[in-house]
Amino acid sequence: AQKITQTQPGMFVQEKEAVTLDCTYDTSDPSYGLFWYKQPSSGEMIFLIYQGSYDQQNATEGRYSLNFQKARKSANLVISASQLGDSAMYFCAMRVERGSNYKLTFGKGTLLTVNP
Amino acid sequence: DTGVSQDPRHKITKRGQNVTFRCDPISEHNRLYWYRQTLGQGPEFLTYFQNEAQLEKSRLLSDRFSAERPKGSFSTLEIQRTEQGDSAMYLCASTGESEAFFGQGTRLTVV
Repeated sequence: AQKITQTQPGMFVQEKEAVTLDCTYDTSDPSYGLFWYKQPSSGEMIFLIYQGSYDQQNATEGRYSLNFQKARKSANLVISASQLGDSAMYFCAMRVERGSNYKLTFGKGTLLTVNP
Repeated sequence: DTGVSQDPRHKITKRGQNVTFRCDPISEHNRLYWYRQTLGQGPEFLTYFQNEAQLEKSRLLSDRFSAERPKGSFSTLEIQRTEQGDSAMYLCASTGESEAFFGQGTRLTVV
């Protein structure tokens, strides 16, 4: 069974600084995908970035990048140049991609607060 | 296509009543998921469809819960004989190969 661990219940960062949100995962399947979501206080889950297990390069989307270290089973999210609007809950999720098993499993989340 | 759509956005019901929620996924996505999220927690997996086939159900999905996806398009989640513990946000997601988008959720309050 797959498992996602986010060890930081809360993180603080100064506006314009970079921040790294940690995520480790556990699976024995070789084919999987890793996702990060942002959930502001309004409640919607906003898809940020995806990394496939066979992707050679780390995924990037604007100010978001995913630091994928396969041997360590980590998929940390890096947000560069933090903005006040980045304050939200952030969830890491994993999907095993084999046969019919495509269940998306979430971690418990990290609450990011960006200080002015 | 404007994304994943859920209806209603909010539902208040009396304990013991039945409720049904609808999810319209992104049209080209063949996988659809239902999740439940309570305050301060991550989304908990309920069930997942590939096209019209329901491929996995969580143990959270008691016999009071049923989900369908007729013809592999929209999906419905029904809760029968609601209990106060069913109060939560119910989220639907549809996924492509390298993306997974959520709807805005249905917030259920059982009084």
